Amino acid sequence: DADVTQTPRNRITKTGKRIMLECSQTKGHDRMYWYRQDPGLGLRLIYYSFDVKDINKGEISDGYSVSRQAQAKFSLSLESAIPNQTALYFCATSETVDEQFFGPGTRLTVL
Amino acid sequence: SQQGEEDPQALSIQEGENATMNCSYKTSINNLQWYRQNSGRGLVHLILIRSNEREKHSGRLRVTLDTSKKSSSLLITASRAADTASYFCAPKADRGSTLGRLYFGRGTQLTVWP
Repeated sequence: DADVTQTPRNRITKTGKRIMLECSQTKGHDRMYWYRQDPGLGLRLIYYSFDVKDINKGEISDGYSVSRQAQAKFSLSLESAIPNQTALYFCATSETVDEQFFGPGTRLTVL
Repeated sequence: SQQGEEDPQALSIQEGENATMNCSYKTSINNLQWYRQNSGRGLVHLILIRSNEREKHSGRLRVTLDTSKKSSSLLITASRAADTASYFCAPKADRGSTLGRLYFGRGTQLTVWP
């Protein structure tokens, strides 16, 4: 089984809908991250969490919220989805400041 | 900006040739990491070089780091079609509130033709 899993893998939704993307990890890492990737823009950090009680905004947190339900779970919510949130979303984990392990990604389309 | 900037944006070579990608950054770093991304998939960590190291090897990969010039290079020797992917550098800041975060650049798209 994969160490970092994301659900759903693909999602098409409409403007104004609330969407939750889920991330689970079996690596036992404290640190978890949410990124979005747009063509030609690389990865941008949305939120990150260094432990269950720690939540921090990244570069582009507006329009997003997160929940760290447990060490192994980190969810990203779009309260009211808009078309420019159409992107590829990645969850990642790390044990320290070093290597990050990425999930397979969620392709989100907002119509 | 604390992110790395990769150069070139795109690189196209024949199988068997070497591929060199460069990364420049602006902050003081603890380490610099390189990642690979196959089309539409998650990033995979390739190699990490610490600020007190100048060169590191892993298989066909060779990474150099010049902290005085704030630059790094990734060399892939004897490229294969399977090396076709995007490559990202991620400098890891060594101080300040951004400690622990990685900043990814836009990547170099490498295409290796059979």
